[in-house]
Amino acid sequence: NAGVTQTPKFQVLKTGQSMTLQCAQDMNHEYMSWYRQDPGMGLRLIHYSVGAGITDQGEVPNGYNVSRSTTEDFPLRLLSAAPSQTSVYFCASSLRGREVTEAFFGQGTRLTVV
Amino acid sequence: GENVEQHPSTLSVQEGDSAVIKCTYSDSASNYFPWYKQELGKRPQLIIDIRSNVGEKKDQRIAVTLNKTAKHFSLHITETQPEDSAVYFCAAPDDPLSNDYKLSFGAGTTVTVRA
Repeated sequence: NAGVTQTPKFQVLKTGQSMTLQCAQDMNHEYMSWYRQDPGMGLRLIHYSVGAGITDQGEVPNGYNVSRSTTEDFPLRLLSAAPSQTSVYFCASSLRGREVTEAFFGQGTRLTVV
Repeated sequence: GENVEQHPSTLSVQEGDSAVIKCTYSDSASNYFPWYKQELGKRPQLIIDIRSNVGEKKDQRIAVTLNKTAKHFSLHITETQPEDSAVYFCAAPDDPLSNDYKLSFGAGTTVTVRA
């Protein structure tokens, strides 16, 4: 049971480039989300999904796209990287039932945009 | 959405002393309050959580208390040890009356345990 797996762990992009951050979970969790972590700002929600085929915007969605074609995978796409997107990105998943449950995080992707 | 405020932003304690971190929330319908610990360079991991039907929960040296009337909850770490040095985040459901399970996180508290 690998839990939540994110790739890559580190990435450097040039301004204007696009890329996809991969996230996969093997716990059959319906709920998945992407956060970015910046110093002094905690974890801010970018996009989330309550199940395959369903996605929605979080607090800071601009410049990012997501898709959820399967229960296991929830990739985050940066359309045209900007220096303001330099951050640490975390994917998380949790069971979706009658109540909110523990969120399991991936190991994070440290992204630098130059 | 939910507004979660966390204090203090940094906390330095002598080994063996206690540490207390407090969070306030805005939505009185919130019903789930987790605490996550993030060690340097690692992922956040749940250390304890509490639901709104109880006022306190303990797990060895850590405890969480909830005051629904005042809309705040606190993390208590007793007999602190060097391995307790980390960033701690509180969270609450962003829209507790919906079924979309979004969490709003506090800004984090950096705890340093001095030997």
